[in-house]
Amino acid sequence: GESVGLHLPTLSVQEGDNSIINCAYSNSASDYFIWYKQESGKGPQFIIDIRSNMDKRQGQRVTVLLNKTVKHLSLQIAATQPGDSAVYFCAENQGNKLVFGAGTILRVKS
Amino acid sequence: DARVTQTPRHKVTEMGQEVTMRCQPILGHNTVFWYRQTMMQGLELLAYFRNRAPLDDSGMPKDRFSAEMPDATLATLKIQPSEPRDSAVYFCASGVQGSVGNQPQHFGDGTRLSIL
Repeated sequence: GESVGLHLPTLSVQEGDNSIINCAYSNSASDYFIWYKQESGKGPQFIIDIRSNMDKRQGQRVTVLLNKTVKHLSLQIAATQPGDSAVYFCAENQGNKLVFGAGTILRVKS
Repeated sequence: DARVTQTPRHKVTEMGQEVTMRCQPILGHNTVFWYRQTMMQGLELLAYFRNRAPLDDSGMPKDRFSAEMPDATLATLKIQPSEPRDSAVYFCASGVQGSVGNQPQHFGDGTRLSIL
């Protein structure tokens, strides 16, 4: 039967390639942003965050870029691995509350 | 690693029954959040507490839902009476807010609720 619900964008990448997941946020006054990874049957897991006074932040294999001019956030994953397969959410802080995007499915092909 | 703990992990019950979901936040975190995740709506904030005081429950249907923090180690979300449309995964998250600035919220693994 036909499935009903949010239609999440899907990014399929080959193992070892780099992945870029994009997110458009809504509120120009948002001052803090977080990327979460959610695997099946689990809660969202913190990956990396960035404050609005920065435009780039790097972690282990991940980089977050923030473009406040166009209200755009991206998550770059280097050397993508099968264990990176999950749904990725961006979240923006609005008045001490997080507002989550719909999510992007990342599928890693071996 | 410190974790947010939620119980039960799964709950199946008939409509009209009371449902209680529990959350143990990470020790030292002063803020607790309840979210609901569905295929239709994604992740929605229901309510949140800071230092055990409710700050915002505008996302919660107040006629049937209630959220409390009896003590710093326990947060509860109750639904009475439950309805099939309440079927969802309910997540608790905790974090630190205040003079130290924004810190990420850490999530539990959720309670998967099915109302028949």
